[in-house]
Amino acid sequence: KAGVTQTPRYLIKTRGQQVTLSCSPISGHRSVSWYQQTPGQGLQFLFEYFSETQRNKGNFPGRFSGRQFSNSRSEMNVSTLELGDSALYLCASSLATSEKLFFGSGTQLSVL
Amino acid sequence: GIQVEQSPPDLILQEGANSTLRCNFSDSVNNLQWFHQNPWGQLINLFYIPSGTKQNGRLSATTVATERYSLLYISSSQTTDSGVYFCAVGIKAAGNKLTFGGGTRVLVKP
Repeated sequence: KAGVTQTPRYLIKTRGQQVTLSCSPISGHRSVSWYQQTPGQGLQFLFEYFSETQRNKGNFPGRFSGRQFSNSRSEMNVSTLELGDSALYLCASSLATSEKLFFGSGTQLSVL
Repeated sequence: GIQVEQSPPDLILQEGANSTLRCNFSDSVNNLQWFHQNPWGQLINLFYIPSGTKQNGRLSATTVATERYSLLYISSSQTTDSGVYFCAVGIKAAGNKLTFGGGTRVLVKP
């Protein structure tokens, strides 16, 4: 069974641009969550989608958004990029909500 | 929100040694998971253990939910055990919104 797949692996953007990250969960998993990892703040929860609905949201500005498609694949979007958005963005999937989480390899975003 | 503290922050081990990592949390939880982040950044789920004891090869974990702590044991450590170990906690009502500890950075020397 394939694991959680995130694309792209690396991204370089400039301030003010927007970016879209993609995540394909493990087959059969219906919950997809996104986390941000930075050296200063550690791992922080962004949001969770289950059956195409946002189920939970972390404490991030509205520039961070996401969605989930009917095949459980998910995308997250960050608009008007700031330098502080430079981070490793990790996607995780689980069979249902509040169950064992499986993470992808992440997308390393650098904002210049 | 829930506070999660992990200790020690850093650990250097000789190959073959045993070690214990600790995770303390500030409130009642019913979702607790341990992860290993390898040097390439990949987070691997080691245990889903809101209570009780589990074992997986050389690793085992114990969560005492009533006393708000969890322990991860590494026995006969190998160089491939190097990396950062994270504890993450949450409550079922919050789904997959987990609060992560700061991690324990482990280096196993040959």
